[in-house]
Amino acid sequence: DSGVTQTPKHLITATGQRVTLRCSPRSGDLSVYWYQQSLDQGLQFLIQYYNGEERAKGNILERFSAQQFPDLHSELNLSSLELGDSALYFCASSAQGTVNEQFFGPGTRLTVL
Amino acid sequence: GIQVEQSPPDLILQEGANSTLRCNFSDSVNNLQWFHQNPWGQLINLFYIPSGTKQNGRLSATTVATERYSLLYISSSQTTDSGVYFCVGGQGGKLIFGQGTELSVKP
Repeated sequence: DSGVTQTPKHLITATGQRVTLRCSPRSGDLSVYWYQQSLDQGLQFLIQYYNGEERAKGNILERFSAQQFPDLHSELNLSSLELGDSALYFCASSAQGTVNEQFFGPGTRLTVL
Repeated sequence: GIQVEQSPPDLILQEGANSTLRCNFSDSVNNLQWFHQNPWGQLINLFYIPSGTKQNGRLSATTVATERYSLLYISSSQTTDSGVYFCVGGQGGKLIFGQGTELSVKP
């Protein structure tokens, strides 16, 4: 158990819908990262927050957004869902914002029908 | 951006065999980790190893930062070692994943 929690574990929804994925980092970690793992793209970095502020951005679509709240949990919002958004979404956390070991949550498996 | 190349892409071993997985980076990284993704999809931290050598039981890893590569050694492999091994590196917080090595250990 990495100490990073993600909810829900599974999510099935329809195209055009909007969903919210939630992540709680390890106790004491200030940074939260979101990754997407799909069959065709592999594991890709989406976005990083550090102590409530956006720190780095990767291949995140404009239909996706994230935020980190004062209690340091984070949410990833996915809207206007398409079939191709079906993937495993991971959250990770680390103690600092840059050079530091990242620990991954169990992931949320999103299926868009 | 940084490219991460892992080799071999696939590996089939008999239980008890040893193996070496390699990871090459196109540029220097200051954050390097090895993960094992088990058949249930969970990403398990193996090593945080930007440089040097570390050992943990049957697993060890070596990173030569000046030559931009890292090696993961698995000795006396067990069926529970099966899964995908990812080498991951980055500059700052953004991690770039390799395509992984899919390991299958047969009893």
